[in-house]
Amino acid sequence: AQSVTQLDSQVPVFEEAPVELRCNYSSSVSVYLFWYVQYPNQGLQLLLKYLSGSTLVKGINGFEAEFNKSQTSFHLRKPSVHISDTAEYFCAVSVYSSASKIIFGSGTRLSIRP
Amino acid sequence: DGGITQSPKYLFRKEGQNVTLSCEQNLNHDAMYWYRQDPGQGLRLIYYSQIVNDFQKGDIAEGYSVSREKKESFPLTVTSAQKNPTAFYLCASSIETGIYEQYFGPGTRLTVT
Repeated sequence: AQSVTQLDSQVPVFEEAPVELRCNYSSSVSVYLFWYVQYPNQGLQLLLKYLSGSTLVKGINGFEAEFNKSQTSFHLRKPSVHISDTAEYFCAVSVYSSASKIIFGSGTRLSIRP
Repeated sequence: DGGITQSPKYLFRKEGQNVTLSCEQNLNHDAMYWYRQDPGQGLRLIYYSQIVNDFQKGDIAEGYSVSREKKESFPLTVTSAQKNPTAFYLCASSIETGIYEQYFGPGTRLTVT
């Protein structure tokens, strides 16, 4: 069965600094990977997804993630964060199957300091 | 304007009462999901439905029930058997289960005292 681990529960960063949120997964078969963002008291919104092709995936709000098969990682990055990026970020994994489900990580809370 | 609606945003109930959370989507998606979110635990799947009149238990189905009589609607009932019902509940939908991205509603925060 697949699983996903987000190594950092909280990441504090100064405004305009770069940030990387880490995500590692485990699976014995090919995976599909997602990053979602959740602003306070709201639902989740898709930031980006990797299904196939280029390992560098660009998403909304200037975020990007790189799929690394050998390290089983899918880290999320942004070169310069803004106060509005304060939110919780969830990594998720799925495998190709009509009956499979998306498995979510436990989340990383990104807090931006002015 | 397509999307998922959940109502109400906040819900308060006394212990021992059943309560039903509403979830409606107009995205024409076949699959719908219910998740529970607790601080520091991410999202845990309660129930999901791949098609009308069919649903499957997720990882934490005990104390919950669902129905899927219409494609657009997937209500969740939190029964009195659920030992710790206070949580944030999220409904989602996708074209199908599997690799397709899920679209989420705004959530319902349930407080049981």
